[in-house]
Amino acid sequence: DAKTTQPPSMDCAEGRAANLPCNHSTISGNEYVYWYRQIHSQGPQYIIHGLKNNETNEMASLIITEDRKSSTLILPHATLRDTAVYYCIVALAGNMLTFGGGTRLMVKP
Amino acid sequence: KAGVTQTPRYLIKTRGQQVTLSCSPISGHRSVSWYQQTPGQGLQFLFEYFSETQRNKGNFPGRFSGRQFSNSRSEMNVSTLELGDSALYLCASSSLQGKAEQYFGPGTRLTVT
Repeated sequence: DAKTTQPPSMDCAEGRAANLPCNHSTISGNEYVYWYRQIHSQGPQYIIHGLKNNETNEMASLIITEDRKSSTLILPHATLRDTAVYYCIVALAGNMLTFGGGTRLMVKP
Repeated sequence: KAGVTQTPRYLIKTRGQQVTLSCSPISGHRSVSWYQQTPGQGLQFLFEYFSETQRNKGNFPGRFSGRQFSNSRSEMNVSTLELGDSALYLCASSSLQGKAEQYFGPGTRLTVT
């Protein structure tokens, strides 16, 4: 699997959009970008994934650059409950997940 | 629909003992994966089972083993426990083999003394 690079921590004001970046410059053409988050003392939670096109679901939006070397997860209106570690993972469909260090997002009132 | 359940939630064992952890996947899910999470190493993949067969394996010693039953429930066993095996053990299920959209349980916190 390609390696990802994420900032170790970020802050966001409650109610504002949280934009979490991820670099994956060595991604191959058939690898997907997955995002998970882990709230303290819980198991990771799947958020969203994409291959080339931008994706949106009820939780977040995923923006993938045209060259696919980076992506951004957007939480449109962050709440205190969004405070968590966010993991960006690049994986082939049908492969195991390799978690990196993630980004610790702190949403502040 | 009930989520992934893991039992027990907490466990304390001594070095040299063995331990068995259990995971019940989401109803209808046939793939179960196991992960170990420690402060130093983060989340690491242990193995994946699908249709009672191990399909993928991470880089862990043979002391770590698992199995899956016909009802998709899975167990993980660690023999000859070491202090370094203290960790949160997470189970995840998905509807298809190796599908990266996985649903995690709350984990079993194992402490080895």
